[in-house]
Amino acid sequence: EDKVVQSPLSLVVHEGDTVTLNCSYEVTNFRSLLWYKQEKKAPTFLFMLTSSGIEKKSGRLSSILDKKELFSILNITATQTGDSAIYLCAHIQGAQKLVFGQGTRLTINP
Amino acid sequence: NAGVTQTPKFQVLKTGQSMTLQCAQDMNHEYMSWYRQDPGMGLRLIHYSVGAGITDQGEVPNGYNVSRSTTEDFPLRLLSAAPSQTSVYFCASSRRDRAFGYTFGSGTRLTVV
Repeated sequence: EDKVVQSPLSLVVHEGDTVTLNCSYEVTNFRSLLWYKQEKKAPTFLFMLTSSGIEKKSGRLSSILDKKELFSILNITATQTGDSAIYLCAHIQGAQKLVFGQGTRLTINP
Repeated sequence: NAGVTQTPKFQVLKTGQSMTLQCAQDMNHEYMSWYRQDPGMGLRLIHYSVGAGITDQGEVPNGYNVSRSTTEDFPLRLLSAAPSQTSVYFCASSRRDRAFGYTFGSGTRLTVV
């Protein structure tokens, strides 16, 4: 059964710090890895990483995929209080099932 | 463009009651799915659909039914509510090629007492 594990589960940093969130996966047939940001309500899509797209960047956020070591990281530089959220990593299994990790709760203190 | 709309936002049920959580999307997405989110467990797939008339079970389907009579709507039915079904429920949709990931609704917080 596919498995996605995120670490750390919780992280508290000061505004301006750089953070790295980890996502490791054990899957039978790798398709895509997705990152989401969840504030108070719905998860919002950040990145999709595939075999042909192993590095993505958007502003202060970036993500890479290591297919050999079976992990992905999400980097956030110059963090702001608005970055406080739960960050979710998920693998697409089969036709369209998302298998999620437990999430990392990130808190940015001013 | 409303995206994915879920109703209601909050609901309290008594054990044994039934209800339907509504989900509608206006993006003409082929794929739709229901997840529940519990503390420390991430999101877990309940049921999903790859198109109108086609549904299948996810990881935690017991106690829930779905149907997909149109592309736009994908309701989730709780047959006989139990306290273990207290959770936050999210509906999600995507294009078949998943080019933009999955779009989630704002969730329904359900409490079963």
